[in-house]
Amino acid sequence: EADIYQTPRYLVIGTGKKITLECSQTMGHDKMYWYQQDPGMELHLIHYSYGVNSTEKGDLSSESTVSRIRTEHFPLTLESARPSHTSQYLCASSEYHQSGYTFGSGTRLTVV
Amino acid sequence: QQPVQSPQAVILREGEDAVINCSSSKALYSVHWYRQKHGEAPVFLMILLKGGEQKGHDKISASFNEKKQQSSLYLTASQLSYSGTYFCGTEHSGNTPLVFGKGTRLSVIA
Repeated sequence: EADIYQTPRYLVIGTGKKITLECSQTMGHDKMYWYQQDPGMELHLIHYSYGVNSTEKGDLSSESTVSRIRTEHFPLTLESARPSHTSQYLCASSEYHQSGYTFGSGTRLTVV
Repeated sequence: QQPVQSPQAVILREGEDAVINCSSSKALYSVHWYRQKHGEAPVFLMILLKGGEQKGHDKISASFNEKKQQSSLYLTASQLSYSGTYFCGTEHSGNTPLVFGKGTRLSVIA
């Protein structure tokens, strides 16, 4: 079944550590996105990609990087985690501009 | 430009109707609606493109008024399963990611 997968589901790490959140989709979608969401709050765009080797920054991109080497894979890296990064990170993909987004289950990150 | 949703929260009894609004100060290209249940990912409900169309999805429908730069989501004869937070996401051109509103928390009680 086509889907979008995020790992890990939960992560607790220490301040200053470098981490990579994984996101993969099996639908062949060119468009992929990373959003940050605090519990019960709105989603904030971090990064997005419209195809291989193409990435763009969103509003919250300053402390993270992404890569898009393969269509199906869109990892997000925090170079130096801080307690303010504690949040849920949602990955999504869409087939074309006028189609809905399919979201992964998210990674709940806690930085201590 | 973040869209504005109203109301922030609403409580309904089973069978009652609700309307959730989403408005923007900037011209809209499209409006998406999503529902997110507690602890789960947002789930796509429907998309409306500029042109003033209306869409239906069982007992959930939506309209899009391009001139007023707003969309409304209509939930009729609500069921317990409708509970969750509803988000609208907007595009201002055909090639930009969605910007989401702050959400409307809907609770349906028996």
